[in-house]
Parts: sequence; C-alpha cells; structure tokens
Amino acid sequence: AQSVTQLDSHVSVSEGTPVLLRCNYSSSYSPSLFWYVQHPNKGLQLLLKYTSAATLVKGINGFEAEFKKSETSFHLTKPSAHMSDAAEYFCVVSTQNTPLVFGKGTRLSVIA
Amino acid sequence: GAGVSQSPSNKVTEKGKDVELRCDPISGHTALYWYRQSLGQGLEFLIYFQGNSAPDKSGLPSDRFSAERTGGSVSTLTIQRTQQEDSAVYLCASLRDTRSNYGYTFGSGTRLTVV
Repeated sequence: AQSVTQLDSHVSVSEGTPVLLRCNYSSSYSPSLFWYVQHPNKGLQLLLKYTSAATLVKGINGFEAEFKKSETSFHLTKPSAHMSDAAEYFCVVSTQNTPLVFGKGTRLSVIA
Repeated sequence: GAGVSQSPSNKVTEKGKDVELRCDPISGHTALYWYRQSLGQGLEFLIYFQGNSAPDKSGLPSDRFSAERTGGSVSTLTIQRTQQEDSAVYLCASLRDTRSNYGYTFGSGTRLTVV
C-alpha cells in the first residue's frame, strides 16, 4: 500500500523568500514521486517527477525536489517565491501499474 | 485532441437525479483514470481503465457510481440517485502507457453540485 502525507495544509511566505513544502511518503516498492500544482479554477499541472534517476529533481518555474529514501521524504523547494506561485500543491506517489495516490494538498500563499 | 477534454465543466443537479460526466482522453493514450476532489481534500481515486482489461473499480464509493469506456476512447462516469455528498470536482486523466509513470495528463474537471 502507498500513502502520502503533506505535513502542512497551508504555507504562507513573503515574495522573494524561499519556499518549502514538505511531503513524506510510504510505499512497499520503489516509488515514483510527483509534485503537481493546481491554480484556482485550473487543471492540474505536473511540476516535476522522480523515477529512480537523480535524487535531486528540477522542475518547471524554478521548483526542485529532493528524494531522500532514508527519510522517506520528497520536499518541494524554490529559492525565491513569486506571486504567481500562489496555488495548491499536491505530492503524489505511485508504483508501476497502480493509480496515483495524492496527498491532501498544501495551499501556498505569497504575500507581497 | 491536444489535451484531455471533460464535459460539462459545471453541472448543477437536484438530489436524487442521475448525472453523466464525460471524458475525452488524448488520442492513443491506453489508460484512463477518474478521480474526485472534494473541498479541501486531495484527489480520491475512483476507477481506471487500461486497454481491453477489466477496469479497476476499487475506488468507487458506492454502487451508485459506475463508469464505462467505449471503444478504448471516450469514458462516461455515471452517478445514480445523486446525494449532496457527491458534490465535488470530478477529474479525468489519461496516460500513454501504464508500464511507465510518465505522461499523466489531467482534464480541467467537471464541478458537480447537488442541491
């Protein structure tokens, strides 16, 4: 069985400061891990994915995430927040041939 | 088409009525998934189709929910005798090949409101 825990339901940062969205996962097999972003009234967009290659994964819009097997974590970071980053972020786990399992989401607010 | 298309984008229905939600996946994508997103919740898996195999219905919340996929392409999710707790955004995603986890593409969803 697989599961994902997003440790914060809401994160608020000032524009230009770093972003950290935390995610822990549980999986019986080698997982694939994803971060998706959902802007208000928009569809889900893939930010980045980890699939057993490099543990530091770079995604779109300056986001990156690091896979840490020993900590079963896949935290999402960005050095400097922009107003347009305000959205809902979902950490997702999957193994081959199984549906994606989503976390409950973290709402990111960016303050000017 | 270029993306996953869902219709209608919004649906308001009276409690007890049946509704049908449609998903047009990306051409050539063999797998199709339905998810439900309730207010303040993550996405809840409902059902998935892979080629001609029997669908995985393990996520359907009750026997009021059913789905079919005709000709390996368009899918319809049907909710019978709708209840207020069915109000949610219903999302469809397609995947080129389940042998890898690449390339999930989500539609914009159908927002269902049961009044």
